[in-house]
Amino acid sequence: DAGVIQSPRHEVTEMGQEVTLRCKPISGHDYLFWYRQTMMRGLELLIYFNNNVPIDDSGMPEDRFSAKMPNASFSTLKIQPSEPRDSAVYFCASSLHRGGAGEQFFGPGTRLTVL
Amino acid sequence: KQEVTQIPAALSVPEGENLVLNCSFTDSAIYNLQWFRQDPGKGLTSLLLIQSSQREQTSGRLNASLDKSSGRSTLYIAASQPGDSATYLCAVRPTATNKLIFGTGTLLAVQP
Repeated sequence: DAGVIQSPRHEVTEMGQEVTLRCKPISGHDYLFWYRQTMMRGLELLIYFNNNVPIDDSGMPEDRFSAKMPNASFSTLKIQPSEPRDSAVYFCASSLHRGGAGEQFFGPGTRLTVL
Repeated sequence: KQEVTQIPAALSVPEGENLVLNCSFTDSAIYNLQWFRQDPGKGLTSLLLIQSSQREQTSGRLNASLDKSSGRSTLYIAASQPGDSATYLCAVRPTATNKLIFGTGTLLAVQP
């Protein structure tokens, strides 16, 4: 398996623009997680899905952030409008809980810079 | 609220030394604990996962232990190598949730 795939790897945009981050989880995994990593706050969970359904979005910072999982092999995290304080590395992770240990596997991340 | 702490924040050792990284958590009601390594500019690589019913897990030169009642886990690295240089993160999964709560990490440098 190719592991968790994220795109783009790097994104530079201007304040006010819409940003869409994409994730393809490991095939067969039933959970998908979106995290954000910054120097100040470390790794923070934003939202996670079980079988494509959002379970907990309490980590989403505000209404400018939204996430979708239209099918088992694709998820997006959208920021509209983007702000400089959104600059961070965004990670997607997936895990198998049904019949598995729930070990999380991370993608390579998207480094977002908002100017 | 579950809090995860890692000490030390940074560690530098000469090649060949055995070393221990520490992780402590405030609430013992956990389902499992996972250790990761993160190389600069890269994602997280899962190293070991310990279920709450287990005391330790081993993978090659790595051994992770868990003492749930005292809220502690250690990651032991034997015969360290320069390639082990990275940030090591521990994360706990509280019971009744599938979230991971991460520590702030230990930055390890192994000097050749």
